[in-house]
Amino acid sequence: DADVTQTPRNRITKTGKRIMLECSQTKGHDRMYWYRQDPGLGLRLIYYSFDVKDINKGEISDGYSVSRQAQAKFSLSLESAIPNQTALYFCATSDLASTSYNEQFFGPGTRLTVL
Amino acid sequence: QQPVQSPQAVILREGEDAVINCSSSKALYSVHWYRQKHGEAPVFLMILLKGGEQKGHEKISASFNEKKQQSSLYLTASQLSYSGTYFCGTEGDDYKLSFGAGTTVTVRA
Repeated sequence: DADVTQTPRNRITKTGKRIMLECSQTKGHDRMYWYRQDPGLGLRLIYYSFDVKDINKGEISDGYSVSRQAQAKFSLSLESAIPNQTALYFCATSDLASTSYNEQFFGPGTRLTVL
Repeated sequence: QQPVQSPQAVILREGEDAVINCSSSKALYSVHWYRQKHGEAPVFLMILLKGGEQKGHEKISASFNEKKQQSSLYLTASQLSYSGTYFCGTEGDDYKLSFGAGTTVTVRA
């Protein structure tokens, strides 16, 4: 089945380390997103990309960077991790051309802990 | 700006009804609704577009008041499988979603 996958699923790291979270999709969707989820705050948009050459900041992009290596791959990097970046991170995809409604399909999530 | 959801939590018995509300301060193109089960990813339920079009779940209904920038999700004759956290996502003309903080629904037998 066409899917959205994220690696790693769990990661524990130390303050100051650089880490990368990866997202791949086989849906053929153009649009990809990175969200973080914190208890009581819902999902907040970090970065989004509407095609390979398009990268945009979301609500909370400070401390994060992204790379859209191909239509199917969208990576999120924390250049120097800090404890308040401990959260559950979701990648999502959407595609107006195929679905007409911009509904988003989420990956399984990456649980990141920064010590 | 995040939309405001209410209530924060609701507990139901099977067969009971509930309404979840979502309110935004900005002009909206559409409202999405997602449900997240514990330990899982959010899953799309419904979308309501400006102008009245909607696409969604066969057993869950929703409304969208464009003038008030408000949407409501109606859980009717609830089932155990309805348990989870419900998020509304509001979309402006920039195609970005802003999610509410969520409403946790617990359905008991």
